[in-house]
Amino acid sequence: NAGVTQTPKFQVLKTGQSMTLQCAQDMNHEYMSWYRQDPGMGLRLIHYSVGAGITDQGEVPNGYNVSRSTTEDFPLRLLSAAPSQTSVYFCASSRRQYNQPQHFGDGTRLSIL
Amino acid sequence: KNEVEQSPQNLTAQEGEFITINCSYSVGISALHWLQQHPGGGIVSLFMLSSGKKKHGRLIATINIQEKHSSLHITASHPRDSAVYICAALSRGSQGNLIFGKGTKLSVKP
Repeated sequence: NAGVTQTPKFQVLKTGQSMTLQCAQDMNHEYMSWYRQDPGMGLRLIHYSVGAGITDQGEVPNGYNVSRSTTEDFPLRLLSAAPSQTSVYFCASSRRQYNQPQHFGDGTRLSIL
Repeated sequence: KNEVEQSPQNLTAQEGEFITINCSYSVGISALHWLQQHPGGGIVSLFMLSSGKKKHGRLIATINIQEKHSSLHITASHPRDSAVYICAALSRGSQGNLIFGKGTKLSVKP
């Protein structure tokens, strides 16, 4: 069982470039989410999805897009990378939206120059 | 003021010591999570609780709903327990989204 798989693990971008962070889970989980983790701050929610075809914004959605065309995949797109988006990104999933243990990917360390 | 506060921010202990990490929250919650983030960065869910106490091996998590406070205890600490411990609250009406504390960095010396 792979769990939650994030790719890539590391990425360096130039300001203005776009890219997609991939997240896939093989546990048939309904709820998936993207967080960013910055020094001195707790994890902050970017976007989340409660099922295929349904997405919504979290606390810090600006500059990011998501889609959920399948239950398994929840990619995060950076439209035009900015240095403020330098961070570690985590994808997580859980069986349902409420009161379920969260399963995290290993993270993507992203640097924007 | 953050809705979820952890203390201490940093904690150094000697191997074998009993460790307590505290988490206070200001919102009404339906569940509280304790997570462990390894030095390599991966995050693992340790506990999810909405009342009382849960135990797994040397780890014990407790929650007092009336006082809006939770604790994570580690008995007979070991250097492999060195990690960042994060509490996260699932507030009522939050659409299932967690509010995270900033984490407690634990270092256990041999």
